[in-house]
Amino acid sequence: AQTVTQSQPEMSVQEAETVTLSCTYDTSESDYYLFWYKQPPSRQMILVIRQEAYKQQNATENRFSVNFQKAAKSFSLKISDSQLGDAAMYFCAYLTGTASKLTFGTGTRLQVTL
Amino acid sequence: KAGVTQTPRYLIKTRGQQVTLSCSPISGHRSVSWYQQTPGQGLQFLFEYFSETQRNKGNFPGRFSGRQFSNSRSEMNVSTLELGDSALYLCASSFGQGETGELFFGEGSRLTVL
Repeated sequence: AQTVTQSQPEMSVQEAETVTLSCTYDTSESDYYLFWYKQPPSRQMILVIRQEAYKQQNATENRFSVNFQKAAKSFSLKISDSQLGDAAMYFCAYLTGTASKLTFGTGTRLQVTL
Repeated sequence: KAGVTQTPRYLIKTRGQQVTLSCSPISGHRSVSWYQQTPGQGLQFLFEYFSETQRNKGNFPGRFSGRQFSNSRSEMNVSTLELGDSALYLCASSFGQGETGELFFGEGSRLTVL
């Protein structure tokens, strides 16, 4: 079974600084997708960034980028120039290309301080 | 374009009762997935429906059931409620075919079982 591990329950970053959230996963599949979802206090989960396993290039979306290490099964999220609105729970998630369900990590609560 | 709509947002039930939650997906989306979110177990996949058929199912007891209608709206039902069923139930929709797995989530239905 696939598992997703987020070893940092909480992280804190100062506004305008950079923070990296860690995620590792375990799978025997070769075709899969990895995601970072953000869940603000209002609870609606929104997609931050997506990575296809077959792509070697790391995905980027504005201030958000990932470091995807396929051999190490590692998928970290870097948030640059952190903003107060980045404060939320961040979930790493895995989707196999042959199934239709997301497997989530336990989440990392990110605090952004002034 | 309207997002994923879940009703009701909040509800309180007592043990032994049953509950029905509703989810209206984004227009054009044919896949609806349900997730249970609790502090102890995190986000867990319940089931996924595509074109009125259950395509995937998580590891939950038979008290948890769902269905999807021809307009892609979905309902989930929990019978004989237990205290441990208290959770945030999230619905997510997607096109369900030929795309790379991005799910769009609703704000959730917060169920409290007393």
